[in-house]
Amino acid sequence: DSGVTQTPKHLITATGQRVTLRCSPRSGDLSVYWYQQSLDQGLQFLIHYYNGEERAKGNILERFSAQQFPDLHSELNLSSLELGDSALYFCASSVGALAVRKETQYFGPGTRLLVL
Amino acid sequence: AQKVTQAQTEISVVEKEDVTLDCVYETRDTTYYLFWYKQPPSGELVFLIRRNSFDEQNEISGRYSWNFQKSTSSFNFTITASQVVDSAVYFCALSEDLSGGGYNKLIFGAGTRLAVHP
Repeated sequence: DSGVTQTPKHLITATGQRVTLRCSPRSGDLSVYWYQQSLDQGLQFLIHYYNGEERAKGNILERFSAQQFPDLHSELNLSSLELGDSALYFCASSVGALAVRKETQYFGPGTRLLVL
Repeated sequence: AQKVTQAQTEISVVEKEDVTLDCVYETRDTTYYLFWYKQPPSGELVFLIRRNSFDEQNEISGRYSWNFQKSTSSFNFTITASQVVDSAVYFCALSEDLSGGGYNKLIFGAGTRLAVHP
């Protein structure tokens, strides 16, 4: 158990809908990351938040947005869903010290999203 | 551009065989970090090891060992005396500092699926 929690574990929805994925980082971690794992794209970095501020963006679609709240939990919002958004979405956290690059990212169990 | 290549898509072995998973990376950074993660059938990503670019010592942890060679940009992972419970997808990853400002993302290889048969 990494200490990172994600809810829900599974989500089934229809095209055009909007969903929210939730992540609670390990106790004390200030950095939260979101990744998408799909069959065709593999594991792709989406976005990084540090202590409530967006720090880096990867291949995140404009239909997707995220935020990190004062209690450090994070939410990933996916809107106008398409079939191709079906994937496993991971949240990870790290301590979030100055030299972030060397920090180990600990991953949650993931949310499996199926868009029908 | 930074890149991680895991050329072996799938490996199948019989229990107790040794198996090596290859990882080759590309980066222009002089300081970088490499990671291995395991994804068992249950789906979670489990951290195995982190290595920085200044430390080329091999590392052994039980049946697991890692061989980091900067000269060939490789960070290979060996499982000795494999067991059925080792069956999983293994990912090699490179940590990239996007702008030198302490921002972090992991670049993952495509993964190697290891099947260990009894």
